[in-house]
This record gives sequence, C-alpha cells and structure tokens, in this order.
Amino acid sequence: AQSVAQPEDQVNVAEGNPLTVKCTYSVSGNPYLFWYVQYPNRGLQFLLKYITGDNLVKGSYGFEAEFNKSQTSFHLKKPSALVSDSALYFCAVRDLLYNTDKLIFGTGTRLQVFP
Amino acid sequence: DADVTQTPRNRITKTGKRIMLECSQTKGHDRMYWYRQDPGLGLRLIYYSFDVKDINKGEISDGYSVSRQAQAKFSLSLESAIPNQTALYFCATSDPGTGEEQYFGPGTRLTVT
Repeated sequence: AQSVAQPEDQVNVAEGNPLTVKCTYSVSGNPYLFWYVQYPNRGLQFLLKYITGDNLVKGSYGFEAEFNKSQTSFHLKKPSALVSDSALYFCAVRDLLYNTDKLIFGTGTRLQVFP
Repeated sequence: DADVTQTPRNRITKTGKRIMLECSQTKGHDRMYWYRQDPGLGLRLIYYSFDVKDINKGEISDGYSVSRQAQAKFSLSLESAIPNQTALYFCATSDPGTGEEQYFGPGTRLTVT
C-alpha cells in the first residue's frame, strides 16, 4: 500500500539556522515525490519534486530535498531559515506502479521559525 | 493561485442541506481533483477526473458527488450535509504532459451546523 509519513507535527527552528522537515514513504514501485507548502488562508503551493535523476532536488524559496532510496526518505531542507518560512509543509508521493496520477499526502508538519 | 479559483471561499450551512462547491481553472489542464483537509489528517482525495467523461472516486467519496461540466469546471456537491463534513476543501489540477505536480485553488472553508 502507498503511504507517506511525516513523523513530526511541528518543527521549531531559530532564524538563520538550518532546517529539516522529515518525510518517509512506502510504495510498491518507483516513487514520484513532492513537497508543498501551505501559508495561512491559502491553498497548497508546489515547492519541488523528485521524478528521476539527481537525488538532491532544488526548489522554490531556497528549499531543497534529498531522495534516499535505501532509507525511503525525502527530507526537506534549507540552509538558513527565515521567519517567513513559517507555514505548514506537506510531503506527497505518487506510486508509478499504479499509474493513476493520484497523490498520497502526509499529515503535514508545521514549521515555526523564531526570530 | 489565480489560475485555479474556488467559490464560495467560506460557507456555513445547516445539516441536511444540499450544497455545491465550484472550481474553475484557466490552466488548460485535463485532470482535476477534489480534496478535503482536516487538522492532523492532511489532504484526502474525494474525487478525481482525468477528462470530462472520466470521473473516479477517491478514498472518501461517500456523501459526495461531482460534476465535470467542462474541461475548466469541476463541481463538488454534498447531497445532504452533515457536521463531520465540516472541513477545508481544495480543488487541484494537473497536466502530466508538462509536469507531475498539482496546482491548488485557495480552498473553501465549509462549516455544517
């Protein structure tokens, strides 16, 4: 069965420090992996994706994520956090074995960046 | 995202009422989706449509129905609203030909009293 886990409900980090938001996945075939961000009273915005190729993926707003097949992880990272990065972050996976274009979303991690 | 619009943005309704949420997109995408978001549960897929004649149930379709009136329009109906359908509802679109990501509307906050 396809699933995505975001083990942390909330991540707190000081401005200027590096941040990591964790995501692990379970699929039957090869995965397409995504990160989305949701600001208050807004819809989800696409940040980045892994389809194939380099394991380190760079996205919007200085975010990047590393695909690790052996650990089935796709953690979101940023070298230096900003207060404006505070938001709700969702990891999502598409299982290519089923080829349905459906995304399975994690439960979300709230990132709080303190000045 | 201005390319995907949802109406209404907020709605309060009473138990047993029928309500329709509307979604329109100008991205030219064939694929459209309806999700609901609940705190601690993330987003769950209600229905999805790969084109006007192709509509499929998602993981939580009970109590909901949809209509794909045109490529650009995808409506979600609650036939007889109940309080546990109180949630934030999102419409999304995608085009696998140009990328796998989905583009989301701003959401509709629905409260059923």
